[in-house]
Amino acid sequence: VRLVESGGSVVQPGRSLRLSCAASGFNFRSYPIHWVRQAPGKGLEWLAVMSRDGLNEYYADPVRGRFNISRDNSKNTLYLLMNSLRPEDTAVYYCARDPGITLVRGVMLGLGRLDPWGQGTLVTVSS
Amino acid sequence: EIVMTQSPATLSVSPGETATLTCRASQTVGSNLAWYQQKPGQAPRLLIYGASTRATDIPARFSGGGSGTEFTLVIDGLQSEDFAVYYCQQYNNWPPLTFGGGTKVEIK
Repeated sequence: VRLVESGGSVVQPGRSLRLSCAASGFNFRSYPIHWVRQAPGKGLEWLAVMSRDGLNEYYADPVRGRFNISRDNSKNTLYLLMNSLRPEDTAVYYCARDPGITLVRGVMLGLGRLDPWGQGTLVTVSS
Repeated sequence: EIVMTQSPATLSVSPGETATLTCRASQTVGSNLAWYQQKPGQAPRLLIYGASTRATDIPARFSGGGSGTEFTLVIDGLQSEDFAVYYCQQYNNWPPLTFGGGTKVEIK
């Protein structure tokens, strides 16, 4: 089971960036996948989750309306489109698999556990 | 949103000793609590889920306990590879998933 993030770079405030998370070693379309970030020297912050079928998505308040999660099950890949980037979005961005399925707020989502994680990709928002 | 609080922020322990980490939730999370280990420059790794169930390949020296709002992670006989930052995370009432601020276990 492996997740590999890519797409991180240095970007100016206000610009957009798309991250990718390539999965291998498991049946990608059977699992919800999350994005989590970690600012330099700080703790972990959950950002978003997408259901296994791609029909349902949820976001943390700081990124709702700016970030968009999507997935292409034919390519075993999850994406995070980040718009209107701010300096405070500077962080390492991780994708993580949710190992199970359960009903969450009326929607078939994950269990809420994160296992495994990718190695992360660094996004730096700076002028 | 459920707020998770970990203590202490830093724990200094000698190799071979026992480390006890605490995590508190602002409201009950039942047993829907996970612990993660993160070493410098690495991604987090799931250690414990369901408050007390070790994840795959996690050594028996790691044990989790508690329910409701108070949880502990105990590491018996600390080994050199155990010095890291540990995070708790609730998945009882989500989204959002929420993490504690972390406890750094350092060599005394």
